[in-house]
Amino acid sequence: ETGVTQSPTHLIKTRGQQVTLRCSSQSGHNTVSWYQQALGQGPQFIFQYYREEENGRGNFPPRFSGLQFPNYSSELNVNALELDDSALYLCASSPGGQGNYGYTFGSGTRLTVV
Amino acid sequence: GENVEQHPSTLSVQEGDSAVIKCTYSDSASNYFPWYKQELGKGPQLIIDIRSNVGEKKDQRIAVTLNKTAKHFSLHITETQPEDSAVYFCAAAIQGAQKLVFGQGTRLTINP
Repeated sequence: ETGVTQSPTHLIKTRGQQVTLRCSSQSGHNTVSWYQQALGQGPQFIFQYYREEENGRGNFPPRFSGLQFPNYSSELNVNALELDDSALYLCASSPGGQGNYGYTFGSGTRLTVV
Repeated sequence: GENVEQHPSTLSVQEGDSAVIKCTYSDSASNYFPWYKQELGKGPQLIIDIRSNVGEKKDQRIAVTLNKTAKHFSLHITETQPEDSAVYFCAAAIQGAQKLVFGQGTRLTINP
């Protein structure tokens, strides 16, 4: 069984640009959640997708948006990048429709905004 | 909303000794408490979890205890080994809710 894969692993963007991060969920998992982890901090919930719809959102502005595809893979899009968006972005998949048990995290995408 | 506090931020123990990491939570409705281990360059990996209807859970050298009245839970690692060195995160959630709320993390170093 394959785990959660994220791409790219590292990315450098300029302030004001847009970025798209990608995540392939673990086989058999239909729910994907995205977290932002600033350096030295715990992950913070951005949003969750289930059956291709947003299923809960944390305290992040609308310039953070996402998609889930029929194969359960997902994208995180961030518009108008700010320096504070520099962080490790983690994708986690889980087998249930709702709930947060059985999370499997990917290794993340390290985004640097300059 | 839920807030999770984790202590200590760094912990250094001799190989073979025990390590204890403590977390407190604020929302009495929280009833799911996982612990994650994060190694350098990797995502968090679930090592043990506990639900609010259980006071203690063990898995080999790892145990978690939960005190619902005091709203705190702890991770206990016995007979520590060098490969236990990592950052450990506690988290809390309301079962069925969408999000985990994480603590700030504890950097555990096992000294040979």
